[in-house]
Amino acid sequence: DVKVTQSSRYLVKRTGEKVFLECVQDMDHENMFWYRQDPGLGLRLIYFSYDVKMKEKGDIPEGYSVSREKKERFSLILESASTNQTSMYLCASRKQGRSYEQYFGPGTRLTVT
Amino acid sequence: AQSVTQPDIHITVSEGASLELRCNYSYGATPYLFWYVQSPGQGLQLLLKYFSGDTLVQGIKGFEAEFKRSQSSFNLRKPSVHWSDAAEYFCAVGSGGATNKLIFGTGTLLAVQP
Repeated sequence: DVKVTQSSRYLVKRTGEKVFLECVQDMDHENMFWYRQDPGLGLRLIYFSYDVKMKEKGDIPEGYSVSREKKERFSLILESASTNQTSMYLCASRKQGRSYEQYFGPGTRLTVT
Repeated sequence: AQSVTQPDIHITVSEGASLELRCNYSYGATPYLFWYVQSPGQGLQLLLKYFSGDTLVQGIKGFEAEFKRSQSSFNLRKPSVHWSDAAEYFCAVGSGGATNKLIFGTGTLLAVQP
């Protein structure tokens, strides 16, 4: 069965802290994505990776960076967390190719105080 | 640029009633279209997808959607709603290409009255 896991369901951090959100998939998928979800805004793409060590900016990359050293793991990094980064963060993965859907993890609810 | 509009932010239906959630998209070529559902506190689950072929697509949990190119719409339907269908529903269009990034609508929150 397809599985995408995220390291934490809930996370509370202080302003200025460095924050790591981890995502792991067990499906050997090439593509991985990080979104943030905010009420009334839907899901917005932060970064995606189409293969190991490959990454591209999404629509809202400011304040974030990513790392993909292994195929199964995609990390989202907040270098210096700010209160406006309080949000739900969703990771997804998919097989490379036009006709494949994305599979989502359960999400991490991050609160920055 | 591609975009997706879900005009209904919040919908309430009675259990057993029929449901239609609206989705309009803007895309230059033949779109790849998706409906996802998100139960409270959960990630997104794929309900159904359209790539080509038959414009009426069947999905999981008794849902279906119809692609209408002339109206740029991909509305989600269910003939009889169950209380467990209460959730948020997202329509998305794929941007094309090998990674086929998704552009999501803002979602429709469905409440089901007993």
